[in-house]
Amino acid sequence: GESVGLHLPTLSVQEGDNSIINCAYSNSASDYFIWYKQESGKGPQFIIDIRSNMDKRQGQRVTVLLNKTVKHLSLQIAATQPGDSAVYFCAENISGGYNKLIFGAGTRLAVHP
Amino acid sequence: DTEVTQTPKHLVMGMTNKKSLKCEQHMGHRAMYWYKQKAKKPPELMFVYSYEKLSINESVPSRFSPECPNSSLLNLHLHALQPEDSALYLCASSNSGGVAGELFFGEGSRLTVL
Repeated sequence: GESVGLHLPTLSVQEGDNSIINCAYSNSASDYFIWYKQESGKGPQFIIDIRSNMDKRQGQRVTVLLNKTVKHLSLQIAATQPGDSAVYFCAENISGGYNKLIFGAGTRLAVHP
Repeated sequence: DTEVTQTPKHLVMGMTNKKSLKCEQHMGHRAMYWYKQKAKKPPELMFVYSYEKLSINESVPSRFSPECPNSSLLNLHLHALQPEDSALYLCASSNSGGVAGELFFGEGSRLTVL
């Protein structure tokens, strides 16, 4: 069935290092992808998005890469900071006119000083 | 104003109670959503409203009843819930006009069913 999954449930990094969070999706019809960050006790917060006609998009300290051939999405965080510690979700939009955003399982990012 | 506001933040109810969760946005968004999130799990889509009409119901039990009184408000009416319905209920809105876009989430209402 339709699903979005992640390779690593937990990622531990040192402060200042770069982080890479991966995500696999299974629906080839998905046309839009978002990365969300969720801190404890809060709602998901938008980080960056990418449409299916692109393969890379950069934001402030973050880059999203999309490989449609292997249905893979990644989030790169440069110079990871303690404030980046959270759970990160990738989400895919199942095309069809409405935003039917389906979330992946999530990766917990732990940043150590 | 870029906020989605949810009330109450916390709710404890018995299985025979009737309660409601409320969500409000003033960004002019025409699509609003309810998601359910269990601990250590991703948000799961429940309902999507587009232009105040229910467009997606993800086979949610009838003990959850959504309502969209106007384009700024979204309610979730709760009746005869089960303890397994305890979760964080997230409301979101988006500026979709047929093109997928970012969902803006509220902080959620944490529901405990006794």
